[in-house]
Amino acid sequence: LAKTTQPISMDSYEGQEVNITCSHNNIATNDYITWYQQFPSQGPRFIIQGYKTKVTNEVASLFIPADRKSSTLSLPRVSLSDTAVYYCLVALDSNYQLIWGAGTKLIIKP
Amino acid sequence: DAGITQSPRHKVTETGTPVTLRCHQTENHRYMYWYRQDPGHGLRLIHYSYGVKDTDKGEVSDGYSVSRSKTEDFLLTLESATSSQTSVYFCAISDPGTSDYNEQFFGPGTRLTVL
Repeated sequence: LAKTTQPISMDSYEGQEVNITCSHNNIATNDYITWYQQFPSQGPRFIIQGYKTKVTNEVASLFIPADRKSSTLSLPRVSLSDTAVYYCLVALDSNYQLIWGAGTKLIIKP
Repeated sequence: DAGITQSPRHKVTETGTPVTLRCHQTENHRYMYWYRQDPGHGLRLIHYSYGVKDTDKGEVSDGYSVSRSKTEDFLLTLESATSSQTSVYFCAISDPGTSDYNEQFFGPGTRLTVL
């Protein structure tokens, strides 16, 4: 049974790189991993998605090792506005089950 | 932002009363979802729909029913509201065929309080 686990909270400082790791056992080759960002009183918003190795877009990178038992969201040079809750989601291709992590509250300090 | 609205945005009701929440989209997306969000639990899927009149249960479907008679509307009904259903409810949509990613777009949420 697939499950996702991520740290409850993290803090960092402006200008630093932040890495948030999600552990997800028992996922198959076609199961994809997605990260979302949520600000207070808003719905989550898509950040990045991938299946394997590394994906990069204009706001983040996603690293997925060969064993696919974890994935790491990397936020380069964070600012105060990156303070939010970040969710890891694993979507199982076999039955379309969605496995959400409990979220990581990231606090960025000046 | 994706065209998703939820109504009402806030509701206070009493235990035992039926409640219906509405999600409306203007994106013509095939999939629609209802989630609840509670502190310490993140997002939990209640029900989802993969087309008109096609719905399926999520992980916390007990006490909830849904209906989708049109592509743009997805209704969530609490048949007899209980205090344990006090939560923030989010609707989301997705359509894998229209994007490189199977991303979900979320509505603004409905805060429901059951007294």
